[in-house]
Amino acid sequence: QKEVEQDPGPLSVPEGAIVSLNCTYSNSAFQYFMWYRQYSRKGPELLMYTYSSGNKEDGRFTAQVDKSSKYISLFIRDSQPSDSATYLCASTHGGNKLVFGAGTILRVKS
Amino acid sequence: GAVVSQHPSWVICKSGTSVKIECRSLDFQATTMFWYRQFPKQSLMLMATSNEGSKATYEQGVEKDKFLINHASLTLSTLTVTSAHPEDSSFYICSATLRGASYNEQFFGPGTRLTVL
Repeated sequence: QKEVEQDPGPLSVPEGAIVSLNCTYSNSAFQYFMWYRQYSRKGPELLMYTYSSGNKEDGRFTAQVDKSSKYISLFIRDSQPSDSATYLCASTHGGNKLVFGAGTILRVKS
Repeated sequence: GAVVSQHPSWVICKSGTSVKIECRSLDFQATTMFWYRQFPKQSLMLMATSNEGSKATYEQGVEKDKFLINHASLTLSTLTVTSAHPEDSSFYICSATLRGASYNEQFFGPGTRLTVL
């Protein structure tokens, strides 16, 4: 079993839709949870990070962590074609090593 | 701020040759730098972690004699793929952590696409 599981998609939605991206993890020691966005042939860029359980909002993006169920979510409101990318969840116990999910390919159609 | 660059952005080489990839933190001193590889439509797999002035720590299954990492300064790390073969063709991405950052946020470079013929 991978430490971080993520459905690779692709996920295709119409412009303006609410997007829900999800990951599960197995390591109870994980404390930090991140979402990265990666455009084709580019390096990942950090979108959101959260510490422990709860919600965190930044503009159209909301990150949610439920440690009791080991579930990580990213919601994108009013999705735009420019949001089309691969979204990677990642976790760490606080040390240097990040463990990434497989990445979900998102396509927002105009 | 917190920009990481990589050079070259893409490289094509013949089988058996060696290729060097540079990773630089442009506007900050990096405590630690990381090297990842990413195959098409797959996630990032950590290859090694390097600290300035120390030997790199390689992940299980990564050949340290094939993937040579030199972390010469707080702003520069290099990855040399020695005697490259077609199966080494991949997207190589480095990242760096900001010195003094609270939770070791990693800033990623734009990646280097290596194609071995």
